[in-house]
Amino acid sequence: QQQVKQSPQSLIVQKGGISIINCAYENTAFDYFPWYQQFPGKGPALLIAIRPDVSEKKEGRFTISFNKSAKQFSLHIMDSQPGDSATYFCAASMRTNFGNEKLTFGTGTRLTIIP
Amino acid sequence: EAQVTQNPRYLITVTGKKLTVTCSQNMNHEYMSWYRQDPGLGLRQIYYSMNVEVTDKGDVPEGYKVSRKEKRNFPLILESPSPNQTSLYFCASSPRPVGGIADTQYFGPGTRLTVL
Repeated sequence: QQQVKQSPQSLIVQKGGISIINCAYENTAFDYFPWYQQFPGKGPALLIAIRPDVSEKKEGRFTISFNKSAKQFSLHIMDSQPGDSATYFCAASMRTNFGNEKLTFGTGTRLTIIP
Repeated sequence: EAQVTQNPRYLITVTGKKLTVTCSQNMNHEYMSWYRQDPGLGLRQIYYSMNVEVTDKGDVPEGYKVSRKEKRNFPLILESPSPNQTSLYFCASSPRPVGGIADTQYFGPGTRLTVL
């Protein structure tokens, strides 16, 4: 079963607009919530991440909003630009007994910014 | 330059012909993982390794093998590939957590495998 549910599957936003991608999770053991950005032909790259002790994190035009009680988190891209066109994955992480991070990914959102 | 490299980047093979996809990292990371990416399913972990000679299964290990004989290398082996293993594969690495806080994973560029 999909432990991290991501929506929408695809999104088209006008240049300058706000792009919003949503994710929901079930397992309360998750303790780290990163977002990855993937361009065609490339591997995913960390974009921004949040821990559940804060409700919002902002880095430039990218903001994560986190609602612990609802077990939901979302990525907001302000002033969206054509260069933001990519596939975005949310993920949730829990620490294993070995101390490393085990990531569970959402299904991805293909974002297209049109002029 | 810090990076994770994979080879080959593209591979077309036939059912049952053993193949190996190599992965190497130059960041002295202890943790390495293999993922497969399929449309509508996101990335799913196949195997991971905590250090040399220490590996464990991820979420979808069936049909795959791994080894970790050196810290920098983590090859993915398909002993008898089948068409359902046609996918985009990513290797990733991450360092030992500092202060109990796990760091993020760094991904390679991917290997697109087609099994006919």
